[in-house]
Amino acid sequence: QQQVRQSPQSLTVWEGETAILNCSYENSAFDYFPWYQQFPGEGPALLIAIRSVSDKKEDGRFTIFFNKREKKLSLHITDSQPGDSATYFCAASPASSSFSKLVFGQGTSLSVVP
Amino acid sequence: DTTVKQNPRYKLARVGKPVNLICSQTMNHDTMYWYQKKPNQAPKLLLFYYDKILNREADTFEKFQSSRPNNSFCSLYIGSAGLEYSAMYLCASSSRDRGTEVFFGKGTRLTVV
Repeated sequence: QQQVRQSPQSLTVWEGETAILNCSYENSAFDYFPWYQQFPGEGPALLIAIRSVSDKKEDGRFTIFFNKREKKLSLHITDSQPGDSATYFCAASPASSSFSKLVFGQGTSLSVVP
Repeated sequence: DTTVKQNPRYKLARVGKPVNLICSQTMNHDTMYWYQKKPNQAPKLLLFYYDKILNREADTFEKFQSSRPNNSFCSLYIGSAGLEYSAMYLCASSSRDRGTEVFFGKGTRLTVV
């Protein structure tokens, strides 16, 4: 059972364009949604996160849009740069857990072409 | 230093043989996790230690063991490796007192032949 789903599996955009990565979830108990960025040969690193009480979180060129009713969220990367080429994982964690037991999506591989 | 270190980075094992993977962190985090990542699949939580208490996920309960001899180190043990254990194993850590950020290591790629 895939509780967190991501689409597309891979995405290619031109430098300067906005990349949109989608994520959906099934469990209404999830209330914390981090996005992790992973470069080849490295471990996933926290990029940006949102809690379900908010509908938008911005950090520079990275913005999360969150729709609680539809159980969907998206990561927008504006002015995409070749250095943004990486795999992006959407994850979720329930409010009831005292620990960061993250449930991950399968990831979106982003390529930014110069 | 927000580093989680994993050794070795690559591991080759024979079917039926034991495998032991090592992880360490110097952030004094109270919680350490092990995830399994297979190609085109989501990272899957196998187990985690809070302090000295081991919590294993229900569907991996009998397949993996772990130990945490001190706060900084955590191991993942496979008693008898099967082909299905070939995967990337990611160690991570976090602190209950400092928010929800989880820090990941670079992973150990295990190949069972």
